[in-house]
Amino acid sequence: AQSVTQPDIHITVSEGASLELRCNYSYGATPYLFWYVQSPGQGLQLLLKYFSGDTLVQGIKGFEAEFKRSQSSFNLRKPSVHWSDAAEYFCAVGSYNFNKFYFGSGTKLNVKP
Amino acid sequence: GAVVSQHPSRVICKSGTSVKIECRSLDFQATTMFWYRQFPKQSLMLMATSNEGSKATYEQGVEKDKFLINHASLTLSTLTVTSAHPEDSSFYICSAFDRTEAFFGQGTRLTVV
Repeated sequence: AQSVTQPDIHITVSEGASLELRCNYSYGATPYLFWYVQSPGQGLQLLLKYFSGDTLVQGIKGFEAEFKRSQSSFNLRKPSVHWSDAAEYFCAVGSYNFNKFYFGSGTKLNVKP
Repeated sequence: GAVVSQHPSRVICKSGTSVKIECRSLDFQATTMFWYRQFPKQSLMLMATSNEGSKATYEQGVEKDKFLINHASLTLSTLTVTSAHPEDSSFYICSAFDRTEAFFGQGTRLTVV
């Protein structure tokens, strides 16, 4: 069965500091991996996705993520966080034929001025 | 880009009644749609995968007789919450993939009184 784990419920970083949000997945085959951001009262916005190829994926808003098969991880990173990045971040995993699509529990990011 | 339209956005119903939520893919065909439930400040919990022309696949712990799913066409899936109770109050979201990207409905806020 597939599953997605986001170990960190809350993370607080200072504005300008670097950020890494963790995501671990469990899936029998090569998964399709996604990161979404959700601001309060808003819908989900896709930051980036990984299907195959280069394991370092660039996304919008300066985010990137690295797929590490050996660690079953797909961590999200940003070199310098902005106050506007404060939101909830969700990692998601989809099956190769898109007949399953699971979300992690989410990580709430707070940004200190 | 592709659009998934979900209706209604809000509904209040009396305990014991049924409520139907519609999810339409407006400019693409979706053989598979996903139904999620999101509690306040929590993640999207996959309830079921809706398959056009066949029975839905429900996640463990989801009552299929309570949450009836019908996917009668390639552009429409419906979720009916039968005999609703206050504990069914939640935010319900549908999603569908167009090629390799997931698109989400606006969500339905269900309140059972």
